[in-house]
Amino acid sequence: KNQVEQSPQSLIILEGKNCTLQCNYTVSPFSNLRWYKQDTGRGPVSLTIMTFSENTKSNGRYTATLDADTKQSSLHITASQLSDSASYICVVLPDGSYIPTFGRGTSLIVHP
Amino acid sequence: EPEVTQTPSHQVTQMGQEVILRCVPISNHLYFYWYRQILGQKVEFLVSFYNNEISEKSEIFDDQFSVERPDGSNFTLKIRSTKLEDSAMYFCASSEALQERGPDEQYFGPGTRLTVT
Repeated sequence: KNQVEQSPQSLIILEGKNCTLQCNYTVSPFSNLRWYKQDTGRGPVSLTIMTFSENTKSNGRYTATLDADTKQSSLHITASQLSDSASYICVVLPDGSYIPTFGRGTSLIVHP
Repeated sequence: EPEVTQTPSHQVTQMGQEVILRCVPISNHLYFYWYRQILGQKVEFLVSFYNNEISEKSEIFDDQFSVERPDGSNFTLKIRSTKLEDSAMYFCASSEALQERGPDEQYFGPGTRLTVT
């Protein structure tokens, strides 16, 4: 069964600090992996999309990495801001169909 | 910046009633999706739609659900006879291309909160 596991479940950091969120998946065959930011009560917003041939992709202060061999991805947030407080969701899509598997998300709280 | 819109923002209905959730995708997008998120749980894929047909659907998308593109701008999700467990946030999304043709960014709407009493 395709699964996406994210850790930690929640994280509290101080403004200006860096943090790294983890995603492990068992989706096979693999097509691409996406990181989304979801503010409370809002729809997810795309941060990065990576295929199996991409090891890293950046979007401003967000940098995602992918190791397709170990089926792991991380999202690194640099110099966190209060507006980074949100849920960060890892989504993995299989090759050959479009039925994505969502992780439960990591809830990030940035304190001043 | 173009965005996906959804109406209503909140819908309250009684069990057994039919509801229609509406979405206006981004105008030049061709692929449309519905997802749901039960409170406190992860987002779940319901259905993808292209060229007036369902492309793929999940196990959740049973005979109680249907989708339609009634005109050139709206994309709707109908639940024929709502159950208590249908209470969730329903998100519409659209993209220019289906991911089978290469990963394509999806844009999500703000969601409709459906409460079934």
